[in-house]
Amino acid sequence: DIQMTQSPSTLSASVGDRVTITCRASRSISSWLAWYQQKSGKAPKLLIYKASTLESGVPSRFSGSGFDTEFTLTINSLQPDDFATYYCQQYSDYSRYTFGQGTKLEIK
Amino acid sequence: EGQLVESGGDLVQPGESLRLSCAASGFTFGVYEMNWVRQAPGKGLEWISYIESGGGTTYYADSVKGRFTVSRDNAKDLLYLQMKSLRGEDTAVYYCARGRACSGGACFYDYWGQGTLVTVSS
Repeated sequence: DIQMTQSPSTLSASVGDRVTITCRASRSISSWLAWYQQKSGKAPKLLIYKASTLESGVPSRFSGSGFDTEFTLTINSLQPDDFATYYCQQYSDYSRYTFGQGTKLEIK
Repeated sequence: EGQLVESGGDLVQPGESLRLSCAASGFTFGVYEMNWVRQAPGKGLEWISYIESGGGTTYYADSVKGRFTVSRDNAKDLLYLQMKSLRGEDTAVYYCARGRACSGGACFYDYWGQGTLVTVSS
């Protein structure tokens, strides 16, 4: 099974900051990577797919990059609404471990 | 705008069975692959099951294989998850999620339900 590892597990930042979350795959997944945002008690929300394609309606301060085994999610100019948990997800192959373990973005 | 609404979550004892449902609206349900993803309390997301649009192909995570069965009724826009021999580690919020760009059972998920809580405890 492909396994996904996110870092950091927790990230503290302030409104207006630029933050980056990293996701690594245990083997190549080409560009088959998605990012989700999840707020407490809510369902995940799709942000980005195919590593860098922004889902319709998602603010342009979110961006994704990467290929093969290493990927990043960047949020420019953090807004109060952005403090949440972020998950990467590979869709190269189905697996129990398709999601990373999550990165909690906290207010500093 | 598509919508998914899960139901059927409950408190059950270990070894018991439960069936979850997911009602779809706002999109043509029968042309989309569907999935179940769960989240144990305070934990991350775990994909557990996939069903292709016609219902003929299904995949399961090893953690539920042989105990859970996914099915769908495209005439009623409903997705199901039949769960048997439930264990404490099955305690989680269960989400149904619409798949997009699926290949070989692997998709990303663009619409999610609000989730339904299954608690397995004596």
